[in-house]
Amino acid sequence: DGGITQSPKYLFRKEGQNVTLSCEQNLNHDAMYWYRQDPGQGLRLIYYSQIVNDFQKGDIAEGYSVSREKKESFPLTVTSAQKNPTAFYLCASTFAVGVRNTEAFFGQGTRLTVV
Amino acid sequence: GEDVEQSLFLSVREGDSSVINCTYTDSSSTYLYWYKQEPGAGLQLLTYIFSNMDMKQDQRLTVLLNKKDKHLSLRIADTQTGDSAIYFCAAPKRNFNKFYFGSGTKLNVKP
Repeated sequence: DGGITQSPKYLFRKEGQNVTLSCEQNLNHDAMYWYRQDPGQGLRLIYYSQIVNDFQKGDIAEGYSVSREKKESFPLTVTSAQKNPTAFYLCASTFAVGVRNTEAFFGQGTRLTVV
Repeated sequence: GEDVEQSLFLSVREGDSSVINCTYTDSSSTYLYWYKQEPGAGLQLLTYIFSNMDMKQDQRLTVLLNKKDKHLSLRIADTQTGDSAIYFCAAPKRNFNKFYFGSGTKLNVKP
């Protein structure tokens, strides 16, 4: 079955550490996205990538970094520069947004907590 | 811009209809979507509507689109306690790979 997988489901980070969240899809989707969700709030776009080896900043990219070396994979690193990283992180993927229906498929999320 | 706005909360009684509203600013979206998020989970697609349609019905779900006013709504008939969740609308910009979502409407269904 095709889908999008995030790991781990729960992640704990100490102050000053970098951590990497994994996102893998086997849907042959072109575009991948990372969102942050805080309690009681909507989704805020961190980074997105339209094609391999290319990515763009979203609205809240500071303190985060990404790579897109393979079409299937879009890992997100939460760096020590991100001062308030505790949140629920969601990864999504779509075909290229255009004329055809391009629903976004989501992973099950990673809950990151700073300890 | 990419603004998509929704009211934050809606509370209904079981068996009543729920109507969740969304307004958006960019008229280039070819498709508009409704997603459902249950606690601690990702978003799942509920339904979508093509931009040249006014209405789409899918079992208990009815989507209404007013392109002139850039207004999208989701009606859930005979709302059940299992419908309690957060509902997001999305209006992706055509030709741009940015998928923006509204703030989400938390639907609470009282027995």
